[in-house]
Amino acid sequence: NAGVMQNPRHLVRRRGQEARLRCSPVKGHSHVYWYRQLPEEGLKFMVYLQKENIIDESGMPKERFSAEFPKEGPSILRIQQVVRGDSAAYFCASSPLKTEAFFGQGTRLTVV
Amino acid sequence: QKEVEQNSGPLSVPEGAIASLNCTYSDRGSQSFFWYRQYSGKSPELIMSIYSNGDKEDGRFTAQLNKASQYVSLLIRDSQPSDSATYLCAVTIPGNYGQNFVFGPGTRLSVLP
Repeated sequence: NAGVMQNPRHLVRRRGQEARLRCSPVKGHSHVYWYRQLPEEGLKFMVYLQKENIIDESGMPKERFSAEFPKEGPSILRIQQVVRGDSAAYFCASSPLKTEAFFGQGTRLTVV
Repeated sequence: QKEVEQNSGPLSVPEGAIASLNCTYSDRGSQSFFWYRQYSGKSPELIMSIYSNGDKEDGRFTAQLNKASQYVSLLIRDSQPSDSATYLCAVTIPGNYGQNFVFGPGTRLSVLP
């Protein structure tokens, strides 16, 4: 079952370090979405990407956060100089056009 | 402002009862509608999709869509304690280059044994 694969599942970073979260979409899916979720809260949209293009990054903080989905390889969500407030679950979802999106298992980021 | 709204709950129903979950959306251009279930500490799992007005049934689940009223609902018949989870409503917003998924805040369902 080649679903959406996210790694690592758990990531611990010290304040000021960089966090790199990876997402491999379902084979054949060209649309990738990243969401952030705090405990007991809903999914907050961050960014929507297609291969080599950022379609909508309206949910991304202006500083420290970036995302890419290269022609080859997984999508990467990068958080520079992490702070404690970045601690959350980060979910990636992929979709072909005009149908359902499927989620990966998420990466739980803890900043200490 | 493109929004999806749901009652946050918790919604408590006894085992064997029908659970009714509701969702409204603001963008009339929304084309596709989905219900996801999320257990605590887990990722969202797709349980129903609906694209046209009316009802769609899948086992104990029925999704209902009324585009004129901008309303989507999910009925869970014969509710089981294992249905206790947060249910997320999602709609797609079409754009020039694809579609974006907008999620509601979720309704927490508790099925009491």
